[in-house]
Amino acid sequence: GENVEQHPSTLSVQEGDSAVIKCTYSDSASNYFPWYKQELGKRPQLIIDIRSNVGEKKDQRIAVTLNKTAKHFSLHITETQPEDSAVYFCAATSNQAGTALIFGKGTTLSVSS
Amino acid sequence: EPEVTQTPSHQVTQMGQEVILRCVPISNHLYFYWYRQILGQKVEFLVSFYNNEISEKSEIFDDQFSVERPDGSNFTLKIRSTKLEDSAMYFCASKGQYTGELFFGEGSRLTVL
Repeated sequence: GENVEQHPSTLSVQEGDSAVIKCTYSDSASNYFPWYKQELGKRPQLIIDIRSNVGEKKDQRIAVTLNKTAKHFSLHITETQPEDSAVYFCAATSNQAGTALIFGKGTTLSVSS
Repeated sequence: EPEVTQTPSHQVTQMGQEVILRCVPISNHLYFYWYRQILGQKVEFLVSFYNNEISEKSEIFDDQFSVERPDGSNFTLKIRSTKLEDSAMYFCASKGQYTGELFFGEGSRLTVL
């Protein structure tokens, strides 16, 4: 089955800096790669996703890149703000009917002002 | 905006007792999931359900666990004889036919004493 590795486990940045979180996956059949943000005590919420037919996707201050050959994908947050502080999870799935979305271990991002 | 709802929000039970966690997925979604998250750890896949049967399950989902869709709206997770290590937040999620996004409920926190 799919295995997703995520690095780093913690990341501390100053407000305004950029943050990068990296993930690798094992199953070459995976073709859908979402990123979820989870605030303390809350549910995971989708912030951006990318499919394998696209190499990069951007939404305002966040962007995701995918290298399908190397089986890795990354989340980039620019101009970080204190409200970006949360746990970020990457995930991967082949997205076939009922196939599980497998999560990485998470990255705790702390943005200090 | 439609959302996944879960009950109870918090349940405390004695070891060995049966627990049923309930979920109402988004009404036009076809794929249903249970995940769990032990405090401070990653979101772990338990089971996926499609077309009234289990599509995929993880190693965690052993004979102590079962899922059911007893009517057109509810999706339940039953833990037959709870253990201390079952203490976690349990998230229900659902997915539509044409989107990869998983929508998570607020979670049910289970505490086994």
